[in-house]
Amino acid sequence: AQTVTQSQPEMSVQEAETVTLSCTYDTSENNYYLFWYKQPPSRQMILVIRQEAYKQQNATENRFSVNFQKAAKSFSLKISDSQLGDTAMYFCAFANNNAGNMLTFGGGTRLMVKP
Amino acid sequence: DVKVTQSSRYLVKRTGEKVFLECVQDMDHENMFWYRQDPGLGLRLIYFSYDVKMKEKGDIPEGYSVSREKKERFSLILESASTNQTSMYLCASSLLVGGRETQYFGPGTRLLVL
Repeated sequence: AQTVTQSQPEMSVQEAETVTLSCTYDTSENNYYLFWYKQPPSRQMILVIRQEAYKQQNATENRFSVNFQKAAKSFSLKISDSQLGDTAMYFCAFANNNAGNMLTFGGGTRLMVKP
Repeated sequence: DVKVTQSSRYLVKRTGEKVFLECVQDMDHENMFWYRQDPGLGLRLIYFSYDVKMKEKGDIPEGYSVSREKKERFSLILESASTNQTSMYLCASSLLVGGRETQYFGPGTRLLVL
């Protein structure tokens, strides 16, 4: 079974600064995907970014990028030029490609962007 | 845009009541999921379905059942609600089977069992 750990329950960052959210996972699989999902206050959860384990290049989506360290089983999310709208719960998630579309989530990190 | 809707945002029920949570998606997605979200525990999978009338247990199915009679609708049933089922319930859907697929989430139902 896979496990996903987010060691930072809460974080805060000043607007326009950069913040990094940590995520580690444990698996014996070799073919898998990692995700960061964002849940804004009272709004629906949405996908932020996805990383395929077989790709060495780190995924980027505008101000969001990941640092994927496969050997260390680490998958951190970097948010550059933080904006007030980035305030949300962030969840790291794992999907084993051989287990259909099931996701295993971490406990979440609550991020507050301060003006 | 994919739209996933849930029948209630907030629900208050009494211990022992039968509770139905409804989820509807409008994008002809094959897969549907029910999670519960608790502080510090993230989201945990209760049940999922890859097709009509098909269901598979997730990590925490005890005390729950599901129904998928139509492709667009996936219901979560609490046969006899208990206080430890007080939680936020999230429904999700995805188009295809495969680890890469994005899941699209509903707004959630916050259930309080008294």
